[in-house]
Amino acid sequence: EAGVAQSPRYKIIEKRQSVAFWCNPISGHATLYWYQQILGQGPKLLIQFQNNGVVDDSQLPKDRFSAERLKGVDSTLKIQPAKLEDSAVYLCASSLVLGQGYEQYFGPGTRLTVT
Amino acid sequence: QKEVEQNSGPLSVPEGAIASLNCTYSDRGSQSFFWYRQYSGKSPELIMSIYSNGDKEDGRFTAQLNKASQYVSLLIRDSQPSDSATYLCAVVKFTGGGNKLTFGTGTQLKVEL
Repeated sequence: EAGVAQSPRYKIIEKRQSVAFWCNPISGHATLYWYQQILGQGPKLLIQFQNNGVVDDSQLPKDRFSAERLKGVDSTLKIQPAKLEDSAVYLCASSLVLGQGYEQYFGPGTRLTVT
Repeated sequence: QKEVEQNSGPLSVPEGAIASLNCTYSDRGSQSFFWYRQYSGKSPELIMSIYSNGDKEDGRFTAQLNKASQYVSLLIRDSQPSDSATYLCAVVKFTGGGNKLTFGTGTQLKVEL
């Protein structure tokens, strides 16, 4: 079974530029999550989708971050404009369904450096 | 008070010893508990899940949950150098609004030869 796919793996941009990350979840997984992990910290949930609907985006900085999952499969996370503090690893995860006990599996992440 | 607290370490144990990793959480409504292993530069990898009080064993790993004390632990028996990594405790509270998975900052484990 293929895992969660993400691209690109690395990205370096200047502040105020825009960037987009792509994620394809495990086949059949209805729930998709985007996390931000800053060095030395645990991952922080940004947004969670169930199929193509947003379930929770309470921690997404909506003035600069946006995300979509138009067909209920792959997803895109965008940052526009980027700030220095956005330098982090952006992790995508998926789980079979929404509900307690359903384990989340992570992709390899995209390491973003904002200069 | 942090929602999920872990000692950042590093925790150093000799090869073959038992490593004990601890985690406390603040929300009594938390329902599911996970341990992830994260090697440097890699993404978190799920190693254990536990949902009810008591112990759950899987190979060299044992997860322990005590909801009354709001405490989760992970024991690694016969520790190997390949176990050297950061171990993240994650706690889930399911609400109608979704599965909120909250991570601790992780404990760095070093297994020494």
